[in-house]
Amino acid sequence: QQQVKQSPQSLIVQKGGISIINCAYENTAFDYFPWYQQFPGKGPALLIAIRPDVSEKKEGRFTISFNKSAKQFSLHIMDSQPGDSATYFCAARKQDNQGGKLIFGQGTELSVKP
Amino acid sequence: EAGVTQFPSHSVIEKGQTVTLRCDPISGHDNLYWYRRVMGKEIKFLLHFVKESKQDESGMPNNRFLAERTGGTYSTLKVQPAELEDSGVYFCASSQLFGTANTEAFFGQGTRLTVV
Repeated sequence: QQQVKQSPQSLIVQKGGISIINCAYENTAFDYFPWYQQFPGKGPALLIAIRPDVSEKKEGRFTISFNKSAKQFSLHIMDSQPGDSATYFCAARKQDNQGGKLIFGQGTELSVKP
Repeated sequence: EAGVTQFPSHSVIEKGQTVTLRCDPISGHDNLYWYRRVMGKEIKFLLHFVKESKQDESGMPNNRFLAERTGGTYSTLKVQPAELEDSGVYFCASSQLFGTANTEAFFGQGTRLTVV
């Protein structure tokens, strides 16, 4: 059962354009929604994260939009650059008293053309 | 500060052989997680250690997989005997316990396992 669904699988954007990646989740107990960026040969690295009590979070060119009622959240990359070309994963976590495993989406391969 | 270190980076083994992957978490991180990504699909949770104890091993595929974390430091993940479907990239991540200031999970670079 796929608890976090991510789309699109791949995305090609022109330099300067806006990249949008969407995710949907099922478990309303999730309380933390991070986005990870992964370059080839590297591990995923936290890019930006949001909690369900906030509808939007912005860090530089990266923005998360969160819709709690629709159980959806998305990543917007403004003014996309070739250096943003990477695989992006959305994830969700339900915190317990020791930690919380991350449930990932399938990943989106973003290619930004110069 | 050193990040999460995994080795080997790559491993190619024959079906039926044994392989052991190692993860060194960030010093002071009591949480240690193993994940796996198979053939471009999602990154899937395998198990979670808190110090040396297994907190959650619900993602382990079967009893051919054995994870240990001796003394609450580094962890090993052994696959014995390996099957073709075990091929994929195995990631390790570590984090501080909840209740501390920063509970972000930091990932290693992964071990790419190919079973032929």
